[in-house]
Amino acid sequence: SQELEQSPQSLIVQEGKNLTINCTSSKTLYGLYWYKQKYGEGLIFLMMLQKGGEEKSHEKITAKLDEKKQQSSLHITASQPSHAGIYLCGAVDPRFGAGTRLTVKP
Amino acid sequence: GAGVSQSPSNKVTEKGKDVELRCDPISGHTALYWYRQRLGQGLEFLIYFQGNSAPDKSGLPSDRFSAERTGESVSTLTIQRTQQEDSAVYLCASSLSGGIYEQYFGPGTRLTVT
Repeated sequence: SQELEQSPQSLIVQEGKNLTINCTSSKTLYGLYWYKQKYGEGLIFLMMLQKGGEEKSHEKITAKLDEKKQQSSLHITASQPSHAGIYLCGAVDPRFGAGTRLTVKP
Repeated sequence: GAGVSQSPSNKVTEKGKDVELRCDPISGHTALYWYRQRLGQGLEFLIYFQGNSAPDKSGLPSDRFSAERTGESVSTLTIQRTQQEDSAVYLCASSLSGGIYEQYFGPGTRLTVT
């Protein structure tokens, strides 16, 4: 198994600001997922990364996997209240990080 | 098509009782996962089924927890002699196969042990 550490645990930003969430693994990641969870709702798949150096974007959310495949970052540009929720990274073995709780203040 | 379904959606039980939680995966998905999510926390992996292979039980927290899967269909998670610390949302997910495929999550079962 591999531990996944997410940082920060929680984040409060003003609407319109950019932010980054990190996910670090103790071992090589052979695939990494990013999910979003809103309070009282299910998990929404955002992106999956497999290759070192890979980067994917969806609307204002960009996720990257580093060349060593041990760290991933999720970047949100010009945050909106709709981005609020818990962001979870998960490995394919399968393990999930503890999550980052994002609050966006209007 | 139908997504992953779980039942019941909510379960309140008394400490010491046994409970069974059900998961119906997406048809054709050979991989099935169970997770536990305590209030305000991330997902804790419990068990993983892949086809006819022996399940990966490495995440089960104690021998009070067990799970079964009938072929590549429904799965049941059983918790015996429930304790208050078992209170959590239990999430089931399925994917087309094991490994690098998107996991589709069910809505979860909220278990409350009184």
